[in-house]
Order: sequence, then C-alpha cells, then structure tokens
Amino acid sequence: GENVEQHPSTLSVQEGDSAVIKCTYSDSASNYFPWYKQELGKRPQLIIDIRSNVGEKKDQRIAVTLNKTAKHFSLHITETQPEDSAVYFCAAISNYGQNFVFGPGTRLSVLP
Amino acid sequence: KAGVTQTPRYLIKTRGQQVTLSCSPISGHRSVSWYQQTPGQGLQFLFEYFSETQRNKGNFPGRFSGRQFSNSRSEMNVSTLELGDSALYLCASSLSNKITDTQYFGPGTRLTVL
Repeated sequence: GENVEQHPSTLSVQEGDSAVIKCTYSDSASNYFPWYKQELGKRPQLIIDIRSNVGEKKDQRIAVTLNKTAKHFSLHITETQPEDSAVYFCAAISNYGQNFVFGPGTRLSVLP
Repeated sequence: KAGVTQTPRYLIKTRGQQVTLSCSPISGHRSVSWYQQTPGQGLQFLFEYFSETQRNKGNFPGRFSGRQFSNSRSEMNVSTLELGDSALYLCASSLSNKITDTQYFGPGTRLTVL
C-alpha cells in the first residue's frame, strides 16, 4: 500500500521568511495530493491540492510542486506570518478507490 | 451552510466498553470518511461511506465498524475498548465519491479510555 513520508517533523522560521515542507510517496498510482493545515485544537482544513497532471500550483503565498518521477511533492509558504503556525499534513491517494494516506505532519512555528 | 458536526465532543469510557460516535455531514454531501488521530500514529484512515455503502476500509481491527444512513449521517462503533483506542476521532464529508472532492472535517470526538 501507499506510504507517505514527510520532512521535516518540526520547522521554525522567522516571520517573513519562507518555509518548505517535503513529502515523498511510494505508490506510483497516486495522482491526487492535498495539503491540510491543523491549528492547535482545531480541525484539519484543506489549504491547497495538486493533481498528477500538473507540476505546480499557486494560491497567493502558498504553492505546491509535484515531481512524479521522483515521487515527491512540496509545500512552499512565502512571507510567513505568525498565523501560519500550525501542523501541516500532506496526503496521497490514487484513483483506484484507495483511501487517503497522510504524512506524519510538520509542526511549523513562525517566530515574530 | 452548517459545517460537519460530531457528537459527542468528548467521551470517557473504560476498557471493555463499547462506544458509538456520530457524524452529520454538510448538507448535500454524500460521502463520509472517518479518521483516528493520535500523537504517535498521526492521522489514520478508518473507513469511508458513500450512499450507505462502505467503499474503503483502513487497517483497523474488526472492533471498529461503521454505517451510514439514508440522510448521509454516519456512525462509527468501537467495541471492547482498549487503552490504545484513546484518540481524536475525526470525520470528514465530501460532495461525492470523487477523490478530488474537498474533504471538510468535523471538530472531532476526543475519546479517552481508562
């Protein structure tokens, strides 16, 4: 089955700097990759996603890149703000009716 | 539209008991998925229901079961509770069974097994 690894497990950046979180997956059939943000004590919320037929997607300060050959995808947050502090989860899923497999999460701290 | 709701929000049980958790999806959503979240194992998929049918199941023992009603509301049941079942149980609803449909999570039910 699918296995998703996520690095780093914790990340601290200064406000205004960029943050990058990388995930690797094992199942080459996976073709949809969402990212979720979970603030302390709150529910996960989708922040961006990418399909396998796209190499990059951007939404304001957030972007995701996908390298299908290497089987990895990354979340990029630019101009970080304290409210970006949260745990970020990546996930992978294929079209073949399989379930979402989540990465273990990255705790991002943006220091003012 | 009201978001995904889960009841109860908190639950304390003892080993050997059973528990039923409830999830009401966003109006019009027909797919409900359940996840277990623990500090050690992260977010793990339990099962997914669409149109009252279980479509997928994760790697959990048979003590974990679920069902979905005709109004798309879903319940999950855990029998013979173990200490390791203590976790935040999240459900998520989506419009259909397409994998690219956005999943909207509920606030979760925090289960503590003593």
